[in-house]
Amino acid sequence: KAGVTQTPRYLIKTRGQQVTLSCSPISGHRSVSWYQQTPGQGLQFLFEYFSETQRNKGNFPGRFSGRQFSNSRSEMNVSTLELGDSALYLCASSSTNYGYTFGSGTRLTVV
Amino acid sequence: GENVEQHPSTLSVQEGDSAVIKCTYSDSASNYFPWYKQELGKRPQLIIDIRSNVGEKKDQRIAVTLNKTAKHFSLHITETQPEDSAVYFCAASKRNNNDMRFGAGTRLTVKP
Repeated sequence: KAGVTQTPRYLIKTRGQQVTLSCSPISGHRSVSWYQQTPGQGLQFLFEYFSETQRNKGNFPGRFSGRQFSNSRSEMNVSTLELGDSALYLCASSSTNYGYTFGSGTRLTVV
Repeated sequence: GENVEQHPSTLSVQEGDSAVIKCTYSDSASNYFPWYKQELGKRPQLIIDIRSNVGEKKDQRIAVTLNKTAKHFSLHITETQPEDSAVYFCAASKRNNNDMRFGAGTRLTVKP
């Protein structure tokens, strides 16, 4: 059974640009959550999608958005990138309300 | 929303000693409390979890306890080994709601 797949693994972007990250959950998992991980801030919750609907949202500015497709794959988009957006972005999928499986993450560097 | 606090932020123990990490949560409706281990450069992985209808759960050298009245839960690792060195995260969420919030993490170092 394939795990959670995130692409790309690494990205370097310039301030002001936008970026799209992709997450393919484990087959059969309908819930996908996104987290931002930085050394000093731990795992910060961005949003959670279930059956193509955003069910929960964290305290991030509107520059951070996401969506989920009918096959449960999810994308997150960050517009007008800032230096502080440099982080590891992790997605996690779940088939029930218990137990996340994380992907390996996308490391975004903004220069 | 839920707020999870985790202590200590760093913990250093000698091999063979026990390690305890504590977390508190704010939302009394939370009923699922997982613990994740993240080794350097790797993804967080679920190591143990507990649901609110259980006070304690054990899996070999790892145990988790939950006090719903006080809204705190703890991870206990006995007979620590160098491979236990990692960052550990606690989390809390509610049933039928995957709004899972994590603590800030504890960096555990086990000295041989």
